[in-house]
Amino acid sequence: KQEVTQIPAALSVPEGENLVLNCSFTDSAIYNLQWFRQDPGKGLTSLLLIQSSQREQTSGRLNASLDKSSGRSTLYIAASQPGDSATYLCAVYYTGGFKTIFGAGTRLFVKA
Amino acid sequence: GAGVSQSPSNKVTEKGKDVELRCDPISGHTALYWYRQSLGQGLEFLIYFQGNSAPDKSGLPSDRFSAERTGGSVSTLTIQRTQQEDSAVYLCASSLRGEGETQYFGPGTRLLVL
Repeated sequence: KQEVTQIPAALSVPEGENLVLNCSFTDSAIYNLQWFRQDPGKGLTSLLLIQSSQREQTSGRLNASLDKSSGRSTLYIAASQPGDSATYLCAVYYTGGFKTIFGAGTRLFVKA
Repeated sequence: GAGVSQSPSNKVTEKGKDVELRCDPISGHTALYWYRQSLGQGLEFLIYFQGNSAPDKSGLPSDRFSAERTGGSVSTLTIQRTQQEDSAVYLCASSLRGEGETQYFGPGTRLLVL
């Protein structure tokens, strides 16, 4: 069964800290992996998309890595800000079908 | 419009009633997805439309759930004889061609079945 797991489920950090969110998946036959942000009561916003042939993607203070062989991805957030407070979701798009499997998310709170 | 829109934003219904949820994808996007997000849970895939191909319905939880996409644009998700466990946020997303491209999400419809 294809599963996506995110650790930790929740995280609280002081402003300015660098932090890492983890995502693991059980099937390495992936097409790509996306990180999303979800604010309370709102839809999802795509942050980064990594193709299966790539190792990492960067956007501003965000850096996402992908290790297909070990079934892991990390989202690194540098110099965290209160505005980064949200739920971060990892989503894996598998080959051989059209299904995207989402993790349950990591709820991040950045304290001012 | 500029983004994916969904209506209604909130829906409260009584157990046993039918509900229809609507999604307007981004103009020109051929792929459309429906997901369900229960409280504290991740997103659960429901159904996927790509152009004129037969939809992937493998995520629909029961035969009370169905979806249509008319003219390759607007989609309607219908839940018949609603149950309390159907209470969730129903999210719609679209992408240009599917195939693992970036999905753009609507704000969701919050469904509460009493």
